[in-house]
Amino acid sequence: GAGVSQSPRYKVAKRGQDVALRCDPISGHVSLFWYQQALGQGPEFLTYFQNEAQLDKSGLPSDRFFAERPEGSVSTLKIQRTQQEDSAVYLCASSLALNYGYTFGSGTRLTVV
Amino acid sequence: DQQVKQNSPSLSVQEGRISILNCDYTNSMFDYFLWYKKYPAEGPTFLISISSIKDKNEDGRFTVFLNKSAKHLSLHIVPSQPGDSAVYFCAAINAGGTSYGKLTFGQGTILTVHP
Repeated sequence: GAGVSQSPRYKVAKRGQDVALRCDPISGHVSLFWYQQALGQGPEFLTYFQNEAQLDKSGLPSDRFFAERPEGSVSTLKIQRTQQEDSAVYLCASSLALNYGYTFGSGTRLTVV
Repeated sequence: DQQVKQNSPSLSVQEGRISILNCDYTNSMFDYFLWYKKYPAEGPTFLISISSIKDKNEDGRFTVFLNKSAKHLSLHIVPSQPGDSAVYFCAAINAGGTSYGKLTFGQGTILTVHP
């Protein structure tokens, strides 16, 4: 597609529920990032994929967070047993290999109630 | 530990005047800097960047200045237009430390340009 597509745009989850957030990067983009943006803050790094390999997951806040990109294109960020502090906008970004002009998706706004 | 700081949460400017957005960083390993612009309900969009080997980069109405000794950078928008009203994020990369450019963002500055 022309841009990075994320779905759903909005998700309301009950505390304790599992959620899955999807990212469709720009076709051919090798690098894929997930960021978490809390209200009034800048995005914070969660994890990075180069093709299907998850090379950095140092930003994942807990073992409840899991990301995958099995075929090197679409990526899914899964949050198990959601907590209120997980409420945030989750942004996906992709880029060509070493091009720092990342293209961000519009994000998924997760609200845990 | 906030490694990239934008100390002004908001800035209000008259149309046609200059907007100056500031950013400070603490990590001396950062060697590449970017500015992103974000409209509500959209993802950040890349605006302009600068490598640490330069002190200025210009692109149309947008100029970024880097003062390495002060660990400070600024984005100048001249002339400002109402369509520039958005949240502006400063971001930094330790390009020499990783091969993939993990971004560290500031908190953002809300720019409002009044007609």
